[in-house]
Amino acid sequence: GAGVSQTPSNKVTEKGKYVELRCDPISGHTALYWYRQSLGQGPEFLIYFQGTGAADDSGLPNDRFFAVRPEGSVSTLKIQRTERGDSAVYLCASSTAGGPTYTDTQYFGPGTRLTVL
Amino acid sequence: DQQVKQNSPSLSVQEGRISILNCDYTNSMFDYFLWYKKYPAEGPTFLISISSIKDKNEDGRFTVFLNKSAKHLSLHIVPSQPGDSAVYFCAASGGNQGGKLIFGQGTELSVKP
Repeated sequence: GAGVSQTPSNKVTEKGKYVELRCDPISGHTALYWYRQSLGQGPEFLIYFQGTGAADDSGLPNDRFFAVRPEGSVSTLKIQRTERGDSAVYLCASSTAGGPTYTDTQYFGPGTRLTVL
Repeated sequence: DQQVKQNSPSLSVQEGRISILNCDYTNSMFDYFLWYKKYPAEGPTFLISISSIKDKNEDGRFTVFLNKSAKHLSLHIVPSQPGDSAVYFCAASGGNQGGKLIFGQGTELSVKP
């Protein structure tokens, strides 16, 4: 079956611009996660959705970052007034349940490489 | 603070030999641990996991060992193959961290023919 897909695969933008990154989870997965991976580092948690609601957004670095999942499937990560320090690979993952049943395997998409000039 | 640490950024092993990748953690509340493998330009791929109630889990050539008292886990790959060359991340979850994964920095494994 189809895995997690993310679009675009690459995004180059200028400092101060607004960007949207999209994630299509595996069909039927209720849990969706966003992570950010900087060069030479492991993925860093940003936000977790259970269905349509954000169950944990403790990893969002500041209020320029926002994510939605209006119908409990596709999610969009939105970054306002981008800064050079936002340059990273943004990874999306989904799992069947998430939350208390955190032993469910998280399946990752290929990521979106964001470059802020 | 780095709750999950992989202190070796790289490891080189000869084909057919054992690869041992190490990971340390500081949060004693973690109770589920995973290893992911990552090729360039791809997302991390789940490899193997272990619950804190166990000290060993084996899947084919891959075995994960957990030493709770030392807050240390390791991944053994035997025998190593050139196709195993990738970046390996350990991750932890559970306790006060809920379902999110806390990753280490990664170890780049190179298996030479």
